[in-house]
Amino acid sequence: NAGVMQNPRHLVRRRGQEARLRCSPMKGHSHVYWYRQLPEEGLKFMVYLQKENIIDESGMPKERFSAEFPKEGPSILRIQQVVRGDSAAYFCASSPSPEPYEQYFGPGTRLTVT
Amino acid sequence: AQRVTQPEKLLSVFKGAPVELKCNYSYSGSPELFWYVQYSRQRLQLLLRHISRESIKGFTADLNKGETSFHLKKPFAQEEDSAMYYCALNNAGNMLTFGGGTRLMVKP
Repeated sequence: NAGVMQNPRHLVRRRGQEARLRCSPMKGHSHVYWYRQLPEEGLKFMVYLQKENIIDESGMPKERFSAEFPKEGPSILRIQQVVRGDSAAYFCASSPSPEPYEQYFGPGTRLTVT
Repeated sequence: AQRVTQPEKLLSVFKGAPVELKCNYSYSGSPELFWYVQYSRQRLQLLLRHISRESIKGFTADLNKGETSFHLKKPFAQEEDSAMYYCALNNAGNMLTFGGGTRLMVKP
């Protein structure tokens, strides 16, 4: 089992462009979580998805951000019209159940907005 | 709202010295607390959870509800313990609330 995969590992976007971050959960895991880590801060929860459903998006900014976890393929975190404040590390975690202690983390995607 | 505070961004100790990484939380209910560790160039991984009351790699953590703390302790630090440590809280939902992290440096 290769673990949670995230790509790209590094992404550079100019202000106004779109950023797409991908997360492939571990085999057998149907629960996916996205967290954001701003510089000098801890990880902050963004969204929790199960296959084809958004379960909790209470940490997601209301505008420009969206997430999906289709029946086939990876989970996608999409940021439209990026701004400098979106520069951060975005971590994905997956789990086989809703239990939080079973979340396995990916290596993260570092987004830099220039 | 739940909150996790790790007051020290950096903790530097010598090998063999005791270590205590502080974590305080605010939450009105009965939280579940965790410590996560991220070694250099590795992924964030679970170190221990308060429910299991285990000792992992010599580390222990006791939940003190009166002081709302969950400090991580090890009697004798090793160089390989150098890493980022994050305290986290689960509020009976599915999300984890993380503290800002403490970088532990164990000097030879």
